Amino acid sequence: EAGVTQFPSHSVIEKGQTVTLRCDPISGHDNLYWYRRVMGKEIKFLLHFVKESKQDESGMPNNRFLAERTGGTYSTLKVQPAELEDSGVYFCASSHSVVSGGYTFGSGTRLTVV
Amino acid sequence: GESVGLHLPTLSVQEGDNSIINCAYSNSASDYFIWYKQESGKGPQFIIDIRSNMDKRQGQRVTVLLNKTVKHLSLQIAATQPGDSAVYFCAENRGNTGFQKLVFGTGTRLLVSP
Repeated sequence: EAGVTQFPSHSVIEKGQTVTLRCDPISGHDNLYWYRRVMGKEIKFLLHFVKESKQDESGMPNNRFLAERTGGTYSTLKVQPAELEDSGVYFCASSHSVVSGGYTFGSGTRLTVV
Repeated sequence: GESVGLHLPTLSVQEGDNSIINCAYSNSASDYFIWYKQESGKGPQFIIDIRSNMDKRQGQRVTVLLNKTVKHLSLQIAATQPGDSAVYFCAENRGNTGFQKLVFGTGTRLLVSP
């Protein structure tokens, strides 16, 4: 089966600009997660979708971040306006079960804000 | 890779040796733990998991040990190979009602010399 796909793989933008990251989960996976690792820090949870609904968005850092999952398929994460501290790697993951088995992660989008 | 700027503890071993990677977790209520492997340019890859009602679980060349008394988790890799070189993360499930919200450790870099 195809894995979790993230686009773009790299993005370099100027402070104040807008960037939209996209994640295509594994087909049939209702659960979709966003995580990120900012430089010097560990991987941290951002939010969790079940189909098109936000189950848990407690990790979203502030209102400059907006995540959507239209129709319960792919998801986008928009950062507007981007700040320097948003630089890092943004990972998307999906799972079929929420009980066990872990997630399948995408390769991530490396975001650099200059 | 995305580990630049992230000062990770490093374990260096010779090919064929056994490796032990340790992790301390903080929440005594966490009921599910996962070990992930991350290679450069890729997302975290599931290795093995364990529930809190177990203290040991074995996979292919890997064993996870859980000590709930001291909140300690370890990953043992038998006959370590150069392809095992990567950053290894433990993660604990902090989700409610079965939904997974993982809290990651800072990671350990494993370097395997031929």
